[in-house]
Amino acid sequence: AQKITQTQPGMFVQEKEAVTLDCTYDTSDPSYGLFWYKQPSSGEMIFLIYQGSYDQQNATEGRYSLNFQKARKSANLVISASQLGDSAMYFCAMREIETSGSRLTFGEGTQLTVNP
Amino acid sequence: DAMVIQNPRYQVTQFGKPVTLSCSQTLNHNVMYWYQQKSSQAPKLLFHYYDKDFNNEADTPDNFQSRRPNTSFCFLDIRSPGLGDAAMYLCATSEWRGYGYTFGSGTRLTVV
Repeated sequence: AQKITQTQPGMFVQEKEAVTLDCTYDTSDPSYGLFWYKQPSSGEMIFLIYQGSYDQQNATEGRYSLNFQKARKSANLVISASQLGDSAMYFCAMREIETSGSRLTFGEGTQLTVNP
Repeated sequence: DAMVIQNPRYQVTQFGKPVTLSCSQTLNHNVMYWYQQKSSQAPKLLFHYYDKDFNNEADTPDNFQSRRPNTSFCFLDIRSPGLGDAAMYLCATSEWRGYGYTFGSGTRLTVV
């Protein structure tokens, strides 16, 4: 069974500073994928970044980067130059492959607040 | 733009009165998912369809059912909503074994 752990229920960061949101995972599958999503108070789930288990380099998407440490089973999200609009809930998620397709399992989330 | 659309955005239903939430997609993805997300919690997978094959999670209550009449539409039926069923319900789609998931904007269900 897979497990995703986000140990930071809430994080605070000053505008324009960088912040790291932690995520650890547990799986025995050699092939898996890790995602980060942003969920503002309106509720929609916004895809941020993806890292495949066989990817050699850490994923980057604009101000978002994923610090992937496979041996430690961690996939931390780094947001550089935080903006007020980054205040939201952030979820780490893992994809598992099944015969019926693939499914996404989420961590408990981290509420990020960006202070002016 | 190809997308996943959930209707309605907000739904208020009475305790015990059946309610149906809908999801449609223009992506032609063969997998559709329903997640339940209670306040300040992680989304929890209720069930998913791979084409017409229905896959129920072991801990999904019998009160929750789903229908997928065609590729584009999927419905979530709650037969007798209780106060504990108040939540955001998220629909998502993906290709079989694809790594991309597209989420709808969700339906926020209130039970009174």
